[in-house]
Amino acid sequence: AQTVTQSQPEMSVQEAETVTLSCTYDTSENNYYLFWYKQPPSRQMILVIRQEAYKQQNATENRFSVNFQKAAKSFSLKISDSQLGDTAMYFCAFTFRTGANNLFFGTGTRLTVIP
Amino acid sequence: EAGVAQSPRYKIIEKRQSVAFWCNPISGHATLYWYQQILGQGPKLLIQFQNNGVVDDSQLPKDRFSAERLKGVDSTLKIQPAKLEDSAVYLCASSYSTGGETQYFGPGTRLLVL
Repeated sequence: AQTVTQSQPEMSVQEAETVTLSCTYDTSENNYYLFWYKQPPSRQMILVIRQEAYKQQNATENRFSVNFQKAAKSFSLKISDSQLGDTAMYFCAFTFRTGANNLFFGTGTRLTVIP
Repeated sequence: EAGVAQSPRYKIIEKRQSVAFWCNPISGHATLYWYQQILGQGPKLLIQFQNNGVVDDSQLPKDRFSAERLKGVDSTLKIQPAKLEDSAVYLCASSYSTGGETQYFGPGTRLLVL
């Protein structure tokens, strides 16, 4: 079975500080993609960052970066210089490189950025 | 480029009634997904289309849920009859193809069944 675990239901961070959200996953497949999605109160799911499992280099996207540890099946998200607009639910997810493109999601981490 | 469109945004019905949701994917996206997101959980795939064919509907409660994607563009998801446990947000997403392509989500339809 494919599972994604986000062990931090809620987190908070001071504006301009750095925060790291944790994610572990379990799959027996070797070729897959990992994602972090953000879901603000408006409920529109927005892609934050994407990582290809066959790439060693960690993905970065402006203030967002990941720490991908394939052997440990860990995929954490680091948000630098946190902004009020980062307040949202964050979901970790993955899908396989071949076959159907179903996304397997974790239960989410609610992040609050404090002014 | 226009995003994924969904309607309605909110719907309140009584149990045993029927309801339908509509989704228009991003232009050129062959793959369309319907997810159900129950409060406090991550989205769960209900059905996936590639063009107008079904790729995966293993998690769709087929005794009450149905979906179609006529002409490989717009899609509708129907629930008949609705149960209390169907209260959730129904998210539509689309991607250019499969194989790890990024999925882009619509704003969702929040359904409350009383």
